[in-house]
Amino acid sequence: EPEVTQTPSHQVTQMGQEVILRCVPISNHLYFYWYRQILGQKVEFLVSFYNNEISEKSEIFDDQFSVERPDGSNFTLKIRSTKLEDSAMYFCASKQGAYEKLFFGSGTQLSVL
Amino acid sequence: AQTVTQSQPEMSVQEAETVTLSCTYDTSESDYYLFWYKQPPSRQMILVIRQEAYKQQNATENRFSVNFQKAAKSFSLKISDSQLGDAAMYFCAFLTGTASKLTFGTGTRLQVTL
Repeated sequence: EPEVTQTPSHQVTQMGQEVILRCVPISNHLYFYWYRQILGQKVEFLVSFYNNEISEKSEIFDDQFSVERPDGSNFTLKIRSTKLEDSAMYFCASKQGAYEKLFFGSGTQLSVL
Repeated sequence: AQTVTQSQPEMSVQEAETVTLSCTYDTSESDYYLFWYKQPPSRQMILVIRQEAYKQQNATENRFSVNFQKAAKSFSLKISDSQLGDAAMYFCAFLTGTASKLTFGTGTRLQVTL
């Protein structure tokens, strides 16, 4: 079965630093997402991306966050100035159609010190 | 706004027995999709089963089945012949046509004992 690939699996950074989390969605998919999960809590939606633009974003996704699909294969999440509360598992996900199965990557565990 | 409620933070089942995990949701939409995701200790999100709201027939996937009660806005997951590998967090999730995002419940941690 095809996979969504996320790198790195773990990222440790200092508060205030910029981080970029990388994702390679499944090649023929058109809808892309970032979710996050703080340890012990539920999975929360951050942003959805379709047709080369953000289609929806949550309240969590403030000006410190941005997404890009720079080359037609990668899908990145950038946090400009990390805060302690950004520590979480970040999941990338993609799907082919609006009501198709959503495939999740294995996540990037971000630790902000 | 849609909400998903999982009222059982933890459940336990003996190997080979059957367990049911509860999920209720709230929406004003008539067309939507419901999902159960499994999250093992590796924290990978794995789709277990999916139900389209317009289908009256309950979805089944091998040992996993759902009891979908649209009027009651209830979507429970039944795991039959439980196996040690079923131990995980289980999240109920909701998707409507008017929003492209999944809304997750708070999860139920399932323990499987010998």
